[in-house]
Amino acid sequence: ETGVTQTPRHLVMGMTNKKSLKCEQHLGHNAMYWYKQSAKKPLELMFVYSLEERVENNSVPSRFSPECPNSSHLFLHLHTLQPEDSALYLCASSQDIRDGYEQYFGPGTRLTVT
Amino acid sequence: RKEVEQDPGPFNVPEGATVAFNCTYSNSASQSFFWYRQDCRKEPKLLMSVYSSGNEDGRFTAQLNRASQYISLLIRDSKLSDSATYLCVVTRGSGGGADGLTFGKGTHLIIQP
Repeated sequence: ETGVTQTPRHLVMGMTNKKSLKCEQHLGHNAMYWYKQSAKKPLELMFVYSLEERVENNSVPSRFSPECPNSSHLFLHLHTLQPEDSALYLCASSQDIRDGYEQYFGPGTRLTVT
Repeated sequence: RKEVEQDPGPFNVPEGATVAFNCTYSNSASQSFFWYRQDCRKEPKLLMSVYSSGNEDGRFTAQLNRASQYISLLIRDSKLSDSATYLCVVTRGSGGGADGLTFGKGTHLIIQP
């Protein structure tokens, strides 16, 4: 399936590294999202973009920095992460941010911080 | 009360049986409801939306009870391939603005041969 793609699929980084996660959607959607999924916890919404504009930042630490250069691409820049940031990071897109529009997820990046 | 609450299971069910699980939500302003399915180490995939009048898609039936704030999913004639974690998802009903999804922790279903 190629609706929403994410790279890399797996990433191991040290606490002093800087890395970026990439997401691309091929569905012509206007909204994109970053979620974090930790073991034994529900998915947590991190950021919401609508037409390249950030519309929500869910009290996410500044060591996570999103970027949305256009409506098809979304990045998550990572720096000085902590071991507890190890998780599955999922990107999603939807036609619109308004209520009722289903979200479609990419395969995720499994991040391990050492 | 948690925003979206589900019995984590696991539900161990023989192949061919009918299984049902519920989910409760705390935000009465929530407007849209979904069931997602997540296989081990994979991303969540939309299974079905849940409409006020109830809806059916093949072997799957979803019901919404707004008064009691719960959603149900019924799976008939279960298949081995139905083994997965089923995520109950509601929107936050913030009204016209940004609206992410609130996920339950999921119910783990294991269909046994």
